[in-house]
This record gives sequence, structure tokens and C-alpha cells, in this order.
Amino acid sequence: QSVLTQPPSASGTPGQRVTISCSGSSSNIGSNTVSWYQQLPGAAPKLLIYTNNQRPSGVPDRFSGSKSGTSASLAISGLQSEDEADYYCAAWDDSLTGPHVVFGGGTKLTVL
Amino acid sequence: EVQLVESGGGLVQPGGSLRLSCAASGFSFRNYNINWVRQAPGKGLEWVSYISSSGSVIYYADSVKGRFTVSRDNAKNSLYLQMNSLRAEDTAVYYCARAAAGSPEYFQHWGQGTLVTVSS
Repeated sequence: QSVLTQPPSASGTPGQRVTISCSGSSSNIGSNTVSWYQQLPGAAPKLLIYTNNQRPSGVPDRFSGSKSGTSASLAISGLQSEDEADYYCAAWDDSLTGPHVVFGGGTKLTVL
Repeated sequence: EVQLVESGGGLVQPGGSLRLSCAASGFSFRNYNINWVRQAPGKGLEWVSYISSSGSVIYYADSVKGRFTVSRDNAKNSLYLQMNSLRAEDTAVYYCARAAAGSPEYFQHWGQGTLVTVSS
């Protein structure tokens, strides 16, 4: 079971807006920044959002991130077929056993 | 262009050892923190280890602590992961992932991964 909680699946039709949630705790999302990764089938993960809501160059502005308290979310507007992928949230966790990175379990996005 | 190329994966018996490498190019390797992240077949991402740019700060996931050792050779632009006492649950694709400049908090660039299979 992952430390960060994501819905296992999400879906939408082309052009729709979908959101993916990521729930954590005070030791991770509550005190550190959140990043999001997109993993297309058979490929390595790719950075999608960093520092809660920043997009790397080359990432379309259809993708946006937000954070509030111990939760974060990824929004994809104007859904396209090429957005069909797995999406993961991540954050550093300042636990008593030492700093470490925690990931969400991933959300499989299906474009209907 | 930033490139990270993992190698060293393969089939190993339970209890065995394996050393993974990650060759970096296209950036000043000595200035960046690097992580290992793995993904079991059909499963999600799991962080394994972090090493700072100088190698002076190292962190491990509890699941590999005491069995895996991360190191780097900045003169050779290379990162390593020595894996001992391997278990079936260590079977995964292992990625090296570079942090951003000045910020260890996210993985800016990823390699393509190398598959490690632990099985008798």
C-alpha cells in the first residue's frame, strides 16, 4: 500500500477536463513539494509537474497542478488520446526513520 | 541533451548480488543529486535510494537498507547500485533519475531502465 493515495483509475472523453487526486500526510505533502510524473505504456516516467504547480518546458499548459494542506491534484484539460497513461504523484517524506521519497500508487487514465 | 543509461540488469538467484550502473552524459554530472527508482512488473513506482552530488549524503528506502549500496564516480560520470542478498520482491525495472539543479525534490530526467529478475 502506497503512502500517497491516488485513485487507481480515471477516465474522460476527448476535450473533457479530468482531475487526479493525491492524498498524503503532514510528513510528506504537508511539509514538502509535490511532483507529478506521466508514464506512457512501455516508457520511462516523465516529469509533468514540479514544485506543486510548475510545468517543465515542453509540457502543454493543459496540465496543471495544485496543492492544499496534505493533498494535491493534477488537472488535465482538453483531454487528448495521447494523454492515456499512468500518472504518479511524489513527495519527500520527513519521517523519523530518515528522509525518503514516497510515491502514489498511480492512476491509470483512459481516454474513452 | 541529458542522457542517463542504465546497465547491469539480468537474472540472478535469490540471495545473489548484482551491480547496476548508470552512465550520464550531456550535463555536469558532479553537480547533480541522483536517485534510483524501481518498478516491479505491472506495479507502481518505488523510490530506492538518493545520493547527493558529492556523495556525502545518502538515503535508502527501508525495503533495501542494509542490502543495497549506492555510490558514484564523478570522474567517470557514473552512478552505481550494489545489490546484495537479493529477494524475489526486488524484481523490477531500475531507473536512475536525476534531480534538478539546486533542488533534490523532484526527478527531472530519467533513464530508460534496466530489468533485474530475481528467480531460481
